[in-house]
Amino acid sequence: DQQVKQNSPSLSVQEGRISILNCDYTNSMFDYFLWYKKYPAEGPTFLISISSIKDKNEDGRFTVFLNKSAKHLSLHIVPSQPGDSAVYFCAASARRETSGSRLTFGEGTQLTVNP
Amino acid sequence: AAGVIQSPRHLIKEKRETATLKCYPIPRHDTVYWYQQGPGQDPQFLISFYEKMQSDKGSIPDRFSAQQFSDYHSELNMSSLELGDSALYFCASTPPAFPGELFFGEGSRLTVL
Repeated sequence: DQQVKQNSPSLSVQEGRISILNCDYTNSMFDYFLWYKKYPAEGPTFLISISSIKDKNEDGRFTVFLNKSAKHLSLHIVPSQPGDSAVYFCAASARRETSGSRLTFGEGTQLTVNP
Repeated sequence: AAGVIQSPRHLIKEKRETATLKCYPIPRHDTVYWYQQGPGQDPQFLISFYEKMQSDKGSIPDRFSAQQFSDYHSELNMSSLELGDSALYFCASTPPAFPGELFFGEGSRLTVL
């Protein structure tokens, strides 16, 4: 049962253009969403997050949009750079008052930014 | 800045052998998570510890066990290894009272022959 789904295994864009990575979730208990970036032979690196009380969060070239009614979030990268080429994982958690909240990951999307 | 340290980075074992992976969280982080990522798959949550107590359990096989020690480092013990255990094992940590963003180590790659 895949609670977090990234339906596009790969995405290729031209340098300078916008990259849009999509993610859908099914668990309505999820209230915190994150995007991680992963290079080969490295661990996932946190990129940006959004709480369910917001619908948008922006950090430099990265913006995450959340549509709770559709259980959908997306990551926009503008402008895309060749160094952005990596696997991007969407993740979600149902935060609790105590520590120990697991993250549930999507399958990942391989982004390739062509010079 | 100090990151999550995992050792060993690479490990090769035979079927039915045992393996132990170690994780040293970022200083002052009190929660540790273990994830398993098979080839071409998303990271799957195995188990987590908060203040040396198991706080959450995911799809961890009964052949695996883990613990967190008084210095907050954690060890994942895997016995009766199977070919399907070959994967990248990631450890992550979070600071006190901050459930959400996980800081990941570089992973330990286990190959079972």
